[in-house]
Amino acid sequence: QQQVKQSPQSLIVQKGGISIINCAYENTAFDYFPWYQQFPGKGPALLIAIRPDVSEKKEGRFTISFNKSAKQFSLHIMDSQPGDSATYFCAARSWEGAQKLVFGQGTRLTINP
Amino acid sequence: EAEVAQSPRYKITEKSQAVAFWCDPISGHATLYWYRQILGQGPELLVQFQDESVVDDSQLPKDRFSAERLKGVDSTLKIQPAELGDSAMYLCASSLVPGTTYNEQFFGPGTRLTVL
Repeated sequence: QQQVKQSPQSLIVQKGGISIINCAYENTAFDYFPWYQQFPGKGPALLIAIRPDVSEKKEGRFTISFNKSAKQFSLHIMDSQPGDSATYFCAARSWEGAQKLVFGQGTRLTINP
Repeated sequence: EAEVAQSPRYKITEKSQAVAFWCDPISGHATLYWYRQILGQGPELLVQFQDESVVDDSQLPKDRFSAERLKGVDSTLKIQPAELGDSAMYLCASSLVPGTTYNEQFFGPGTRLTVL
């Protein structure tokens, strides 16, 4: 059962442009929403995360926008650089039970120079 | 900088053979996770340990997969017998204690398994 839906599957952006990746969820018990960045042959690394009590979090060129009523959140990468080319995963964690992370399907981002 | 260690990095095996993966979490991290990542998909949790105890193995195919963390530190994931559909990246992650603020999971580099 897919609990976090991510789109698009792939994205090509010109250098200096804005990259936007979207995720949606159904489980209202989710209370923590991280984004992970993964380069080929490497494990995912935490990029930025947000809790549902805020609508936006910004760290450098990376911003998460969170819409609790719509159960959607998105990652914005400003001034996208070739070094940002990677696969990005959104995830969500429930406060119930073992509090495991559920990942989206991933977005393969390519920044053209 | 502390990292999650995994070995081997790559493993090629024939179907019906047994394989084992090893993970050493970041020192002091009580929680350890094993994920399976099929090419082109997000990681899927197989098993989660709190110290030496399993707290979630609902997605672990228990007829062929087993995992242990005997002393609450390093961990081994075993597949016996391996099937063609087991070809994937096996990721280990660790975190401090569930319920702490953000409780960031740190991932290792993974073991790429190919079953022929």
